[in-house]
Amino acid sequence: QQPVQSPQAVILREGEDAVINCSSSKALYSVHWYRQKHGEAPVFLMILLKGGEQKGHDKISASFNEKKQQSSLYLTASQLSYSGTYFCGTEIAVTQGGSEKLVFGKGTKLTVNP
Amino acid sequence: NAGVTQTPKFRILKIGQSMTLQCTQDMNHNYMYWYRQDPGMGLKLIYYSVGAGITDKGEVPNGYNVSRSTTEDFPLRLELAAPSQTSVYFCASSPTTGDGTEAFFGQGTRLTVV
Repeated sequence: QQPVQSPQAVILREGEDAVINCSSSKALYSVHWYRQKHGEAPVFLMILLKGGEQKGHDKISASFNEKKQQSSLYLTASQLSYSGTYFCGTEIAVTQGGSEKLVFGKGTKLTVNP
Repeated sequence: NAGVTQTPKFRILKIGQSMTLQCTQDMNHNYMYWYRQDPGMGLKLIYYSVGAGITDKGEVPNGYNVSRSTTEDFPLRLELAAPSQTSVYFCASSPTTGDGTEAFFGQGTRLTVV
């Protein structure tokens, strides 16, 4: 049930771009993206919903391919503040038409160097 | 707004001791979650609740118990602590799932079992 993220780690120089991928073996209702700084709680970045709606960050974009059950997070012109671990979370159905739960991938560690 | 509040922030337990990690949210959210995060690892779902009186197991429930007697509170009980339960525990809440609502995280409880 846990989504799979790739790559596990990325090292960038300031200004470079990165793509982080998230895939699931289950049909997805939505995909969440969070960033966690060392020693802190995860912080919400954005949500992608079936049908293409996005909610979240102005400077970070993402895509959601429902058929392929995949999502990608695009970090462009990276800044030092982008460093951290990025987690994708997926909402899956637990019972037919019933409640859902949010499960996370193992994370992608992004390091942005000057 | 206080958001999601976890207590304590740090705790050292001896093997075999028990304790309760407290989690309270003041946003009237229906969904609440407990995750554990081992060093360098992702967030693993322990238990979750979709409303007062309703709880269900997540990915790694063994050694833990929960209750949800009120909308606000979702305590996590550790019985007979073991070194394998050394981890950082995060509580999170969301209004619902499936329609693009983010999860709000507490600041975490760092637990060491010796």
